Amino acid sequence: TQLLEQSPQFLSIQEGENLTVYCNSSSVFSSLQWYRQEPGEGPVLLVTVVTGGEVKKLKRLTFQFGDARKDSSLHITAAQTGDTGLYLCAGYKVNFNKFYFGSGTKLNVKP
Amino acid sequence: DADVTQTPRNRITKTGKRIMLECSQTKGHDRMYWYRQDPGLGLRLIYYSFDVKDINKGEISDGYSVSRQAQAKFSLSLESAIPNQTALYFCATSEPPINEQFFGPGTRLTVL
Repeated sequence: TQLLEQSPQFLSIQEGENLTVYCNSSSVFSSLQWYRQEPGEGPVLLVTVVTGGEVKKLKRLTFQFGDARKDSSLHITAAQTGDTGLYLCAGYKVNFNKFYFGSGTKLNVKP
Repeated sequence: DADVTQTPRNRITKTGKRIMLECSQTKGHDRMYWYRQDPGLGLRLIYYSFDVKDINKGEISDGYSVSRQAQAKFSLSLESAIPNQTALYFCATSEPPINEQFFGPGTRLTVL
């Protein structure tokens, strides 16, 4: 079983639609990161959230860290075909000095 | 030039062979990691190192070993490869306190 559960696992939408990806755990994390990965490449960091309740915006992407630092969400407004990829969340536990990755959400944005 | 490089990018080998995957970084980070990626399982930590003299097992270290030759180099070895080690392997670096990870391009390993 994974410490971080992502949902949905797959998402196929039309360009222009909005979507939300969830990253949930019963465990508390010191910080949480979101990555985007394209085929044949390594994950690339999108954002790091550190404070419970924190909201960060990156153009059309909005990231939220839950108040209890156990969960996070990624909301994309007006999706574009360039948003297609695998989205991964990763929680960091400072006591263990380790990252724990979710299983990923594969997003396909159709023109 | 890429900050984190991995060689080889692709490798096909046979069961029982010894394989070494190499990772180099120019970011000057002390912390380095090896991950394995399988479909539907995200990234799983194999080994990590916080400096040249520090090596730690991750969640799936069985069948793997590592060597931290220098701050910039971290190698992953499969002493006797088996088919269920077929996967995509990623090296990453990070620096405290936030520990944002920077990944290499990955090595696609196939064990026949």
